[in-house]
Amino acid sequence: AQKVTQAQTEISVVEKEDVTLDCVYETRDTTYYLFWYKQPPSGELVFLIRRNSFDEQNEISGRYSWNFQKSTSSFNFTITASQVVDSAVYFCALSEAYNTDKLIFGTGTRLQVFP
Amino acid sequence: GAGVSQTPSNKVTEKGKYVELRCDPISGHTALYWYRQSLGQGPEFLIYFQGTGAADDSGLPNDRFFAVRPEGSVSTLKIQRTERGDSAVYLCASSFDRGDTQYFGPGTRLTVL
Repeated sequence: AQKVTQAQTEISVVEKEDVTLDCVYETRDTTYYLFWYKQPPSGELVFLIRRNSFDEQNEISGRYSWNFQKSTSSFNFTITASQVVDSAVYFCALSEAYNTDKLIFGTGTRLQVFP
Repeated sequence: GAGVSQTPSNKVTEKGKYVELRCDPISGHTALYWYRQSLGQGPEFLIYFQGTGAADDSGLPNDRFFAVRPEGSVSTLKIQRTERGDSAVYLCASSFDRGDTQYFGPGTRLTVL
């Protein structure tokens, strides 16, 4: 069965600290896709990244970076030099190749960045 | 260009009433999805449309929930005989085609009193 686990319910940091949000997934499919979405207080889910299971290269986009490790079924997200505007709930999600219509979300991690 | 839009942004209704929630996808997107997000949870899949047809409705909780997309663009999620447990944020997403990245709207917060 497919499942996404975000064990960290809430994280608080002070501005400029680095922070890593953990995501562990379960799937029996060999081809799948992993996502991160940001949900600010306004409520709209904002797409951040999509990775397919064949691409284990780490990705960096500005202050954001992602570490994909198939050996541990993890897809962790790091924010470097956090800012107050990074405060939001972050969701990790999975879709499987045989059923790409459906995103399976974790329960989210609430990040609070204090000035 | 314009993103996914949803109306109304908030809907308060009484138990037993009928409600309709509307989603306007990104122009040109053929795939449309509905999700439901309860407080403190991640979104849960309800239904997926490819064009006008519901290709996967496995997430609809029961037969009180129904959705249509008659012209392959705007979609309406319909809930009959609402119950307090239906209270949640209903999110709509669209993608260019099946399997492409899904882009979400701002959601409709439904409160059933």
